[in-house]
Amino acid sequence: GAVVSQHPSRVICKSGTSVKIECRSLDFQATTMFWYRQFPKKSLMLMATSNEGSKATYEQGVEKDKFLINHASLTLSTLTVTSAHPEDSSFYICSASRDANTGELFFGEGSRLTVL
Amino acid sequence: GQQLNQSPQSMFIQEGEDVSMNCTSSSIFNTWLWYKQDPGEGPVLLIALYKAGELTSNGRLTAQFGITRKDSFLNISASIPSDVGIYFCAGRPYTGTASKLTFGTGTRLQVTL
Repeated sequence: GAVVSQHPSRVICKSGTSVKIECRSLDFQATTMFWYRQFPKKSLMLMATSNEGSKATYEQGVEKDKFLINHASLTLSTLTVTSAHPEDSSFYICSASRDANTGELFFGEGSRLTVL
Repeated sequence: GQQLNQSPQSMFIQEGEDVSMNCTSSSIFNTWLWYKQDPGEGPVLLIALYKAGELTSNGRLTAQFGITRKDSFLNISASIPSDVGIYFCAGRPYTGTASKLTFGTGTRLQVTL
């Protein structure tokens, strides 16, 4: 299957700092990537749709100024959590679809953010 | 918005037993996907379904796309310890790389020896 990779897998930061998480599609080009957030023992919640070359589309209730998304190339999308606070601590996962016909989504390994 | 109800929420089974879980939607989906997630990792795609009534197998796993297009089922035969994890169903209303995926609430599977 397609490979999607995230970095870093774990990050700990101080409150008030910003953290950048990278999502790369390693063996295919992705014009669209998705960012999810997952709380412990909960399902995945879609945060935003990352579009290459244009602005991201955010889901209702997700602060676009808090969670900055940049899709600079067909293989890279980044999520920056700005001025992080402890309540931003979570598991963030990205995904991408390789085939427009099948629509199968492949996920990265996830990034666990802990804000102290 | 769309909701996917998955059941059961959790299961404790013995090694060798068969497992069944299902997912129901309030609206029609064009694609059903089943994922498994291990702790601290991203979901891994198990089976993808594209047609109503479709039955697809992947090893000991079998999944079906419901006739009404509002439900899907996943069966695991002869469970083994490594089947432990959380299983998520997911649906897409239409195909295309920009089509969003809606996730079910998850079924936590624990297998005892």
